[in-house]
Amino acid sequence: EPEVTQTPSHQVTQMGQEVILRCVPISNHLYFYWYRQILGQKVEFLVSFYNNEISEKSEIFDDQFSVERPDGSNFTLKIRSTKLEDSAMYFCASSDRGDNSPLHFGNGTRLTVT
Amino acid sequence: QQQVKQSPQSLIVQKGGIPIINCAYENTAFDYFPWYQQFPGKGPALLIAIRPDVSEKKEGRFTISFNKSAKQFSLHIMDSQPGDSATYFCAAAGGTGGFKTIFGAGTRLFVKA
Repeated sequence: EPEVTQTPSHQVTQMGQEVILRCVPISNHLYFYWYRQILGQKVEFLVSFYNNEISEKSEIFDDQFSVERPDGSNFTLKIRSTKLEDSAMYFCASSDRGDNSPLHFGNGTRLTVT
Repeated sequence: QQQVKQSPQSLIVQKGGIPIINCAYENTAFDYFPWYQQFPGKGPALLIAIRPDVSEKKEGRFTISFNKSAKQFSLHIMDSQPGDSATYFCAAAGGTGGFKTIFGAGTRLFVKA
């Protein structure tokens, strides 16, 4: 079964540094998402992306965050200047349709900001 | 209005028991209600989903009951097994135009052998 892959599985960075989290969505999916989960708690929506542009973003997704689909297979999340509170598990997801379709999640990147 | 409220926070049942997890929503524009199962170290995975035009959906040992007028829905796990021990998230989507799925806070289920 096709799956969403995320790299790296764990990223440690110093406060103020830039990080890029990478995802390869399922190949025939058109909708892409980033979610965040802090310490196994609630899964929080960050951003949705379709047709090479952001469809919707949450209040968490401020100017420090950006997303990009640099080629036909990768989908990235960049955090420009990391803060301690950015430490979390970041999940990429994709779906073949927009609303009313299941999300397929990767296994996440654990980001630790020191 | 975008929230999905989930209870209980945690649940312990004996093997063979029927854990029930409840969720409530406010936004009547939501039209897709999935449940996700998450094991430690993994991403959430779709378990079962329902649309508001039906009141119940069964897939194997998992059943969703949906009450549109009360804006509530619940997950029942029949004949629960230790392998069902995981965190369960209800969610809601649709009506926002931005392809956003809102998750409940999660329920940690432990099934004793």
